[in-house]
Amino acid sequence: AQSVTQLGSHVSVSEGALVLLRCNYSSSVPPYLFWYVQYPNQGLQLLLKYTSAATLVKGINGFEAEFKKSETSFHLTKPSAHMSDAAEYFCAVSTPLHNTGKLIFGQGTTLQVKP
Amino acid sequence: SQTIHQWPATLVQPVGSPLSLECTVEGTSNPNLYWYRQAAGRGLQLLFYSVGIGQISSEVPQNLSASRPQDRQFILSSKKLLLSDSGFYLCAWTKTGQGRTEAFFGQGTRLTVV
Repeated sequence: AQSVTQLGSHVSVSEGALVLLRCNYSSSVPPYLFWYVQYPNQGLQLLLKYTSAATLVKGINGFEAEFKKSETSFHLTKPSAHMSDAAEYFCAVSTPLHNTGKLIFGQGTTLQVKP
Repeated sequence: SQTIHQWPATLVQPVGSPLSLECTVEGTSNPNLYWYRQAAGRGLQLLFYSVGIGQISSEVPQNLSASRPQDRQFILSSKKLLLSDSGFYLCAWTKTGQGRTEAFFGQGTRLTVV
């Protein structure tokens, strides 16, 4: 079975500081991995995805993530935080075996950006 | 382009009342459709998914049911709501047969059972 663990339910950074949100996955087959962002009372928006191509994936709003198979990780980073980055972030893994497109989500990490 | 519509945005219902949340997708055909529930501090839980009309898979036993009467319509229902059904419900779709594709989400329905 696949699973996702996001380390740290709350992360606080200062504006302009590095953002690092951690995600580790468990999968018996090569996974597809995703990062989503959610603003209050809204749906989820895709930030980036890894689908077995380049291991360093660049997304929207200056975010990127690196797939590290040896560490079973897919951490999300951004060099310089902006106030508008404050939101909840979800890491997710899909189940390619059955092509159902089901996503298994982590518990989420709330990012706070301090001025 | 594809769009997904979900309504209502907010809903307050008494315990024991019925529920019907609707989700429709435009601009694509034969999508995979999903209902997720998001409870505070608990991430997103997949409730149901559908790979075609009339085909519903339930991920967790619960007080809810889902139906797909048309290709791009997905309905979440309950005959009698419980307090524990409160939460943020999200509908999503993906392209058929492509596990690597991302899911596209609706704006969600905030359900409060009182």
